[in-house]
Amino acid sequence: DVKVTQSSRYLVKRTGEKVFLECVQDMDHENMFWYRQDPGLGLRLIYFSYDVKMKEKGDIPEGYSVSREKKERFSLILESASTNQTSMYLCASSFQGVGTNEKLFFGSGTQLSVL
Amino acid sequence: QQQVKQSPQSLIVQKGGISIINCAYENTAFDYFPWYQQFPGKGPALLIAIRPDVSEKKEGRFTISFNKSAKQFSLHIMDSQPGDSATYFCAASRPTNQAGTALIFGKGTTLSVSS
Repeated sequence: DVKVTQSSRYLVKRTGEKVFLECVQDMDHENMFWYRQDPGLGLRLIYFSYDVKMKEKGDIPEGYSVSREKKERFSLILESASTNQTSMYLCASSFQGVGTNEKLFFGSGTQLSVL
Repeated sequence: QQQVKQSPQSLIVQKGGISIINCAYENTAFDYFPWYQQFPGKGPALLIAIRPDVSEKKEGRFTISFNKSAKQFSLHIMDSQPGDSATYFCAASRPTNQAGTALIFGKGTTLSVSS
């Protein structure tokens, strides 16, 4: 069965901490994505990657960075966590197929609270 | 900023009724329009998708209607059931700087089907 696993379901951090959110997929997908989900704002794309060591900014990259050293793992980094980064973070992956029929497989999310 | 506008924000439908959720987009470069369904505590999952070369796609009780000239598409859920109660997101696939695409999501519609 297809699986995208996020390392933590709930995370509580303090303002100014460096935070790492980890995501692993077992489907040999080329593409990986990080979204954040906020009530009334839907899912907003933070960063994505189409290959190892490659990354591209999404629509809200400020305050975040990413790392993809291995194909199966995509990490989201909050360099200095702030309270406005309190959110649900969703990781997703997909095949890099021909055309644009990319089915995203999502993890269950990490609810991050920054105090 | 490229956007997908979704309405209504919330919807209450009686069991057996028809649920209709609407989305509109601006960028004609979008070329793939999926709908995702999300249950509490889970990540979104692909429900149904359409490409702009067809005006309608049906899978069971779920139908996408697509109006290319109006740049609108909608999800119809026939014979709505309590098990359909979830949050629904429309999305559109847009080209990126790299070889591939990224999904841009609407803000979501929370559907409640009353029994």
